[in-house]
Parts: sequence; C-alpha cells; structure tokens
Amino acid sequence: GQQVMQIPQYQHVQEGEDFTTYCNSSTTLSNIQWYKQRPGGHPVFLIQLVKSGEVKKQKRLTFQFGEAKKNSSLHITATQTTDVGTYFCAASDSGGYQKVTFGTGTKLQVIP
Amino acid sequence: GAVVSQHPSWVICKSGTSVKIECRSLDFQATTMFWYRQFPKQSLMLMATSNEGSKATYEQGVEKDKFLINHASLTLSTLTVTSAHPEDSSFYICSAELAGGLETQYFGPGTRLLVL
Repeated sequence: GQQVMQIPQYQHVQEGEDFTTYCNSSTTLSNIQWYKQRPGGHPVFLIQLVKSGEVKKQKRLTFQFGEAKKNSSLHITATQTTDVGTYFCAASDSGGYQKVTFGTGTKLQVIP
Repeated sequence: GAVVSQHPSWVICKSGTSVKIECRSLDFQATTMFWYRQFPKQSLMLMATSNEGSKATYEQGVEKDKFLINHASLTLSTLTVTSAHPEDSSFYICSAELAGGLETQYFGPGTRLLVL
C-alpha cells in the first residue's frame, strides 16, 4: 500500500532561521495537502498541490510538489514563534477511492 | 512504523440507518484516539477525543448521542453515526497517539460516508 514518509520528525530552530519539512511517497500521487496543527489544536488545512512541479507561496511559506509527483516540501523562511506546531502532509493516491495517507508530521519548535 | 487502519473505507447507507466505523492501531497501543471530520479541502474538525476505558470527550457542537464513540481497548476505537442523515455525509478520519510516546499522532486512511 501507499506509504508516506515525512522528515524530520522534530526540528528546533532559532527564531529567524529557515525550516523545511519533506514528504516522500512510494507511489505517484494525485495530489498532496499540507496541514498545520498548533499545540492543543486540530490540523488546519494550509494548501493543496495538484500539478507536477507546482510551487505555491503563502507569505513566508513555500510549498513544492515534485516533478514525479512523489514528493513535496514545505519551506518556511525566517521562522517566527507563531510558526510553532506540527506540520502534516497528506497524500492522495491516483486510485479511484482517493485514499488519503497522512505523514507522521514534523514538530517544529522555534526558540526566541 | 506505527499503522492505523480504518474500516470500512467507503460506506453508502440509507437515511435513518446507523453506521459504525472502526479505527485500529495495528502494531502499537494507543491510549488516546481522535476522531475528525473533514469536508473537501478543509481543515480536519476534531469531533472527540477518545481515551481507553473512559467516556469520550466531545468538542463543542458535536452531538454525543448522535456520534457514539467507544474505546474498548488500547487498539480499537469505534465511531457510530446513529440515524444518519445526508448532512452527515463526510470524510471521517481517526488518529491514534502512541502510548507513552511524544504525542505523535498516526492517522488512519479515513472513511468516506455517503448517506442517501
């Protein structure tokens, strides 16, 4: 079955440093979604990527979908303390049932 | 790695019937499981937090008599949608937290419910 690996599992950065989390799939994906979960909160939808090689930006966040549609990344420029939380990717395969597989998340801690 | 399964993957039912969805942690024990509901391209909405051997904690606005949650063992939690109506049609996802772990959540593949 489809497997989604997300790395790193944890990341501590100094405020102002950049941060990147990666999501890798064993199969070609239909689309990939990214979520952010603040401590004590629930996963909030950030964005969906559909096209091969797609790059989307939301302020300091840059999302990328690989050319082969098997991997994706989320990059945060100049982290702030408000970026603290766990970032999940969720991958949908190309099958008819559109099964969604969540990554295990990357927990980001920003040190002021 | 830790695997969470959900059954069924898809369910279509008639209005007024009840549907049970199972969430299992296959290779680890989960003291806490979470049930979410999601509409397309939207955030996961936490419905309830389920702890093994105790009553579930429901989020505000979620009817506990309509969405029955049972966490009978450290590897199984069930969500029963009672007297389902078309507006209950949605994508339901569970996640399990590794017992004694560092609050890492492992998500199930979700269950798509369509109520006719």
